[in-house]
Amino acid sequence: EDKVVQSPLSLVVHEGDTVTLNCSYEVTNFRSLLWYKQEKKAPTFLFMLTSSGIEKKSGRLSSILDKKELFSILNITATQTGDSAIYLCAVERFGNEKLTFGTGTRLTIIP
Amino acid sequence: SAVISQKPSRDICQRGTSLTIQCQVDSQVTMMFWYRQQPGQSLTLIATANQGSEATYESGFVIDKFPISRPNLTFSTLTVSNMSPEDSSIYLCSVGEEYGYTFGSGTRLTVV
Repeated sequence: EDKVVQSPLSLVVHEGDTVTLNCSYEVTNFRSLLWYKQEKKAPTFLFMLTSSGIEKKSGRLSSILDKKELFSILNITATQTGDSAIYLCAVERFGNEKLTFGTGTRLTIIP
Repeated sequence: SAVISQKPSRDICQRGTSLTIQCQVDSQVTMMFWYRQQPGQSLTLIATANQGSEATYESGFVIDKFPISRPNLTFSTLTVSNMSPEDSSIYLCSVGEEYGYTFGSGTRLTVV
């Protein structure tokens, strides 16, 4: 059974801090790892990672995948209050178009 | 990316009743996915809906409780039947795309 573990479960930091969120996984026939931001109900897509060691970047957010050690990190620099959300990590396997999600990290940014 | 309209946004329902959730996609898609997110939990896949065939349900979910329709390539419904307070959750539909999966806006269901 596919397994995705995120850490920490929750994190409270001050505005301007840099945070690193972790995601480790166990999946057969790994295809991709995805990061989502969930503020209210709908998760919004951040990154899709398929290749090891290649950083994906979007503004203050970046993510990298290590397929050997089976983990990914999501970095957020110069955090803002609008970054407060639950960050979800999910994995997809080849031949099976469905996602297995981790429990998420609840990030709170204090002004 | 695809745009998914999901209705209703929220509802409060009496136990024992049923609620049907609709998702309309602005493009044709082969598969649509239905997820449940119970309070404080992550997303769990309920079923995968293909047009023209029976939905495929994940372990722990059955068709009698969560019947799904997929009449065409842009639309699907999920019904939560004979509801109990344990069904109080966020329900989300999703479609797969080349660079990730897109989710509908979600339905927050409260069963009283």
